[in-house]
Amino acid sequence: DGGITQSPKYLFRKEGQNVTLSCEQNLNHDAMYWYRQDPGQGLRLIYYSQIVNDFQKGDIAEGYSVSREKKESFPLTVTSAQKNPTAFYLCASRRIYSDRSYEQYFGPGTRLTVT
Amino acid sequence: QKEVEQDPGPLSVPEGAIVSLNCTYSNSAFQYFMWYRQYSRKGPELLMYTYSSGNKEDGRFTAQVDKSSKYISLFIRDSQPSDSATYLCAMSAHTNAGKSTFGDGTTLTVKP
Repeated sequence: DGGITQSPKYLFRKEGQNVTLSCEQNLNHDAMYWYRQDPGQGLRLIYYSQIVNDFQKGDIAEGYSVSREKKESFPLTVTSAQKNPTAFYLCASRRIYSDRSYEQYFGPGTRLTVT
Repeated sequence: QKEVEQDPGPLSVPEGAIVSLNCTYSNSAFQYFMWYRQYSRKGPELLMYTYSSGNKEDGRFTAQVDKSSKYISLFIRDSQPSDSATYLCAMSAHTNAGKSTFGDGTTLTVKP
């Protein structure tokens, strides 16, 4: 089955600790994205990458870091510098040069709770 | 001011009702308009897509885009309890540009 996997589904951390969220896709998509979703709010873009070893900051990149060493993988690290890290994190991917390049495919999300 | 504003809801309707979900936007460069459906605690999935102005119909769903008014709508006919979800509008200027801008979502509940 092709798709996007995010692990774990639920994650709990103590304040001050860095945590890495996993995102893997086997769709052979070029671009990958990380979004944050808070209750009653839409998706806010954290980082995105259109090609291996390259990525761009989104609207709320402060306190987060990413890497794109492989086409299939785009892990997100939530650092201790992120002031309010508790949220639902969604990973997405997209094929750039196709007739359906407008469509983003989303993973199931990781709910991070920091106390 | 946000680039994309979505009617906040929540919306609660009886089964069989016609539902109208709406978004307005300010960026005249937007050409690609999407509606995503998100069930509770799940990732969004693409429901409808429209390029530029016009209407698009898919079963009980109709997407409308009015670029002159910078206004888009999603209509659901004969709504079902299984339509209960959060609906997110999304827009982008170019499909290869990388980014889409999302509305905040409208949560719909269809009561049997």
